[in-house]
Amino acid sequence: NAGVTQTPKFRILKIGQSMTLQCTQDMNHNYMYWYRQDPGMGLKLIYYSVGAGITDKGEVPNGYNVSRSTTEDFPLRLELAAPSQTSVYFCASRGTGVTRNQPQHFGDGTRLSIL
Amino acid sequence: KQEVTQIPAALSVPEGENLVLNCSFTDSAIYNLQWFRQDPGKGLTSLLLIQSSQREQTSGRLNASLDKSSGRSTLYIAASQPGDSATYLCAVSPLKGNAGNMLTFGGGTRLMVKP
Repeated sequence: NAGVTQTPKFRILKIGQSMTLQCTQDMNHNYMYWYRQDPGMGLKLIYYSVGAGITDKGEVPNGYNVSRSTTEDFPLRLELAAPSQTSVYFCASRGTGVTRNQPQHFGDGTRLSIL
Repeated sequence: KQEVTQIPAALSVPEGENLVLNCSFTDSAIYNLQWFRQDPGKGLTSLLLIQSSQREQTSGRLNASLDKSSGRSTLYIAASQPGDSATYLCAVSPLKGNAGNMLTFGGGTRLMVKP
């Protein structure tokens, strides 16, 4: 199993450009998440999905969009990139067990700089 | 709103020392608390998950405790090794308004174990 795979690993964007961060998981997990991590800080939730076709906002959704057309994929779209979106972006997934006590599994992150 | 705090932000110890990392949270209404390890340039790896009904969990040299009533958790690392050097993050899964089983993260403790 590859787990959670994120692409690209690094990217530099100019202000105003757009891009899509890709995330795919092969564990058949229903729940998927996008977080951002600023230097020296914890992770903040951007968007999440509880299953294909269902998405919802997290704590910091402004400037981002997501879609979930399949169980495996959960891309994050940045429109009109701004310097404040310079960060490390992590995708995570979580299975649906008998209880809610299932750990989240993380990808290695995408390091994004907006110049 | 749930807030998670980790003190200290950074810690340096000599190899072989036993150490304790602290995590506090403001709302005791949680499903579980998780401890993660993050290596530089990498994603998060789940170390231990403590359910709200549990007091502690152990894995090898790691022991995590949970005192839900006081809003505290500790991660105890026995006989520390240079390979334990990493950032350790704690995260709670709030009970309220959490249909997506989201996590709220602390800012992390950056641990360095010197040979």
